[in-house]
Amino acid sequence: GQNIDQPTEMTATEGAIVQINCTYQTSGFNGLFWYQQHAGEAPTFLSYNVLDGLEEKGRFSSFLSRSKGYSYLLLKELQMKDSASYLCAVRDSNYQLIWGAGTKLIIKP
Amino acid sequence: ETGVTQTPRHLVMGMTNKKSLKCEQHLGHNAMYWYKQSAKKPLELMFVYSLEERVENNSVPSRFSPECPNSSHLFLHLHTLQPEDSALYLCASSQDWTSGSYEQYFGPGTRLTVT
Repeated sequence: GQNIDQPTEMTATEGAIVQINCTYQTSGFNGLFWYQQHAGEAPTFLSYNVLDGLEEKGRFSSFLSRSKGYSYLLLKELQMKDSASYLCAVRDSNYQLIWGAGTKLIIKP
Repeated sequence: ETGVTQTPRHLVMGMTNKKSLKCEQHLGHNAMYWYKQSAKKPLELMFVYSLEERVENNSVPSRFSPECPNSSHLFLHLHTLQPEDSALYLCASSQDWTSGSYEQYFGPGTRLTVT
């Protein structure tokens, strides 16, 4: 079956760096997405990786290794507003998005 | 209005009621989606429409009935629901449903409670 694994919850300190990991086993691969979802709000798009390597976008970076079925989202200079759930999703060979359950990130002052 | 809108934002219904959820996208996208989001579970794709044609139906019970009258509007008709159907129902849209890089834009969701 298809599976996306990510930690349920992580805690980090304001101003620090945190890395959220995502491992996947899917039938085919057509790209990996990261979304941010604040409590009670809609998920919003953060990043897309289809080739191996690091994509940097401001304080957020996303890395992909297709051979290892692995990605991570790196958040730098953490701010209190970064407290949210981070969702990893993989587009499979049928172009369906397979979603992880999300990682709840708690930022402490 | 911009982006993707959903109404109502909250809905409480009994198991014998019939209600409808509405979604509208103002982005000129060709694909629209219904998802179910339950606490601590992955998003579950329910239905996909591309250019008003249903292209995916992921084994959803018949008590959920989608309707897509045009490329901007999507409905989810609900009848004889069960308490386990209580969840956040999210609507999303994207430029195209088969192109790999197109991200999905989500509406704020309808929080449904079945009593």
